[in-house]
Amino acid sequence: QKEVEQNSGPLSVPEGAIASLNCTYSDRGSQSFFWYRQYSGKSPELIMSIYSNGDKEDGRFTAQLNKASQYVSLLIRDSQPSDSATYLCAVNGNAGNMLTFGGGTRLMVKP
Amino acid sequence: KAGVTQTPRYLIKTRGQQVTLSCSPISGHRSVSWYQQTPGQGLQFLFEYFSETQRNKGNFPGRFSGRQFSNSRSEMNVSTLELGDSALYLCASSFQGGHSYEQYFGPGTRLTVT
Repeated sequence: QKEVEQNSGPLSVPEGAIASLNCTYSDRGSQSFFWYRQYSGKSPELIMSIYSNGDKEDGRFTAQLNKASQYVSLLIRDSQPSDSATYLCAVNGNAGNMLTFGGGTRLMVKP
Repeated sequence: KAGVTQTPRYLIKTRGQQVTLSCSPISGHRSVSWYQQTPGQGLQFLFEYFSETQRNKGNFPGRFSGRQFSNSRSEMNVSTLELGDSALYLCASSFQGGHSYEQYFGPGTRLTVT
């Protein structure tokens, strides 16, 4: 069974710090990797996508992918209280749009 | 561009009834995927439609079905509702072009089965 694993948290960081969120996946054939942010009572919002090994930066967010280790991470620099949410890692295999989600990591940024 | 829209936003049904949920994708997006989110199981893939054809299906019973229309709008149907079907049902659309497989979610339909 294809799995995506995340630490459920909560991960608590002070305002202004770097938050580091991690994700591992089991399917070596996975092609596309995504990070979604979900506020309580809301739907997931796409914040980053990454398709090849290495780092991808977008504003305060950096996604890192290591296919050999089957590992994806998300760094949030200068964390703000508004970043407090659940972060979902999602992985797409090579057969259309079929995302497998991790259970999510709850991030709490304390002022 | 308008985002993904889903109707209705909230539904209360009784066990044994059936329900139909609707999703309108972002303009130009041809792929529509459906997901179920529950506190216990998290986000789980139901099925995906592309050009009116079901392209992928998750591990859900046959009571869950869907379809896609020529304008890419999609509906999902759940028959013979069970208490365990209470969940947030999310629709996501994707452009499906080039190397982009990014999926954008609608606000969801909150279904409560009593």
